[in-house]
Order: sequence, then structure tokens, then C-alpha cells
Amino acid sequence: GQQLNQSPQSMFIQEGEDVSMNCTSSSIFNTWLWYKQDPGEGPVLLIALYKAGELTSNGRLTAQFGITRKDSFLNISASIPSDVGIYFCAGHSGGTYKYIFGTGTRLKVLA
Amino acid sequence: DADVTQTPRNRITKTGKRIMLECSQTKGHDRMYWYRQDPGLGLRLIYYSFDVKDINKGEISDGYSVSRQAQAKFSLSLESAIPNQTALYFCATSDPTSGHEGPQHFGDGTRLSIL
Repeated sequence: GQQLNQSPQSMFIQEGEDVSMNCTSSSIFNTWLWYKQDPGEGPVLLIALYKAGELTSNGRLTAQFGITRKDSFLNISASIPSDVGIYFCAGHSGGTYKYIFGTGTRLKVLA
Repeated sequence: DADVTQTPRNRITKTGKRIMLECSQTKGHDRMYWYRQDPGLGLRLIYYSFDVKDINKGEISDGYSVSRQAQAKFSLSLESAIPNQTALYFCATSDPTSGHEGPQHFGDGTRLSIL
């Protein structure tokens, strides 16, 4: 079955640093999504990507749809304490009924 | 996402009890989903519904049932709760966009503990 590998699983960074994380799939996706989940809350959509090679920004966040269609990347620039949380990727292959979700990257920021 | 409301937010109950989790949405989306989230695992789909008359099993539907009472309401039931159903449960909605599967919008979750 389809699988998503998300890395890193967790990371500590200094406030002000840039952050990079990625997701890789065993199969091709037509849609990639990136979410952030804070404790006690549901995942909140950050960025949606629909085209191979697409690069989309949302404030300090930038995500890219890999040209192979099997991966996606999320970058956070100049991290701040409120960036703490778990970041999830999700992919959809178009021919199925469901999204596949990654297991998340837990981001912890050292002030 | 305040447009997707789940009740209750927290529930503790005993093995064998019947539990209902409710979800309502004001986004006007036709598609609704129930997921569970366990530590170290990605979100796993329990049931999904593409409209009021369409109900489908997801990857982990055993032990669960659902009811789509209206476009805006989708409830999840555990007929006889067991401890390994202790998890965080999320409702989500979506609509297709420009020929793509639209992004899913989540509620804030129900934390369910079964003793």
C-alpha cells in the first residue's frame, strides 16, 4: 500500500533559524498538503500544492511539490516560538478516495 | 477550524459502553470523514461520506459505525467500546477544487479514553 515517510521525526532549533522538512512517497501523488497541529487542537491547513514543481508560500512558510511527484518539502524561515507544534504532510493520488498522512515532524524551538 | 465542530471534546467511559461522537460543519462541504490519531501513527481513516446517501468504510472501520444525518452532520458511534479504541478522533470535511481532491478541514478533535 501507499506509504509516506516524513523526516525528520523531531527537531530542536534556535529561534531565528530556518527549518526544512520533507515527505517522500512510494507512489505518485497529484496533491500535496501541509498541516500544523498544536496541542489539543486539530490539524490546520498551511499550504496546498496541486502541480509538480509548484512552489507556494504562506508568510514565512514555503512548500514545494517535487518534480518526481513522489515528494514534497516544507521550509520555515526565521523560526519563532509559536512555530512549535507537529507538522504533517498528506498526499492524494487522484484515483483513490483518501489522503495518506505522514506521521509528523515535531518542531521544538529554543528561545 | 471553527467551521467544523466536534462534540464532546473529551470523554472518559468504560469498556462495553456505547459512545457517539458528533460532528457538524458550516462549510457547506459534501464530503465528510472520521479519522483516529494514535501516537506515532498518521491519521487513519475510519469512515467517509461523499453525500448524505453515500457512506463508505475506511481502512479501520471494524468496531465503528456512522450516520450522515444531514449534509452538515456526520456522527461516529462505538457500539461497544474497548480499550484499544482509546485515541484522538477527528472529523474532517472537503470539497473537490479545480479537478483536484480538495484539502481537508479538521475539527479540534475528541479525546476518548476507554477504561
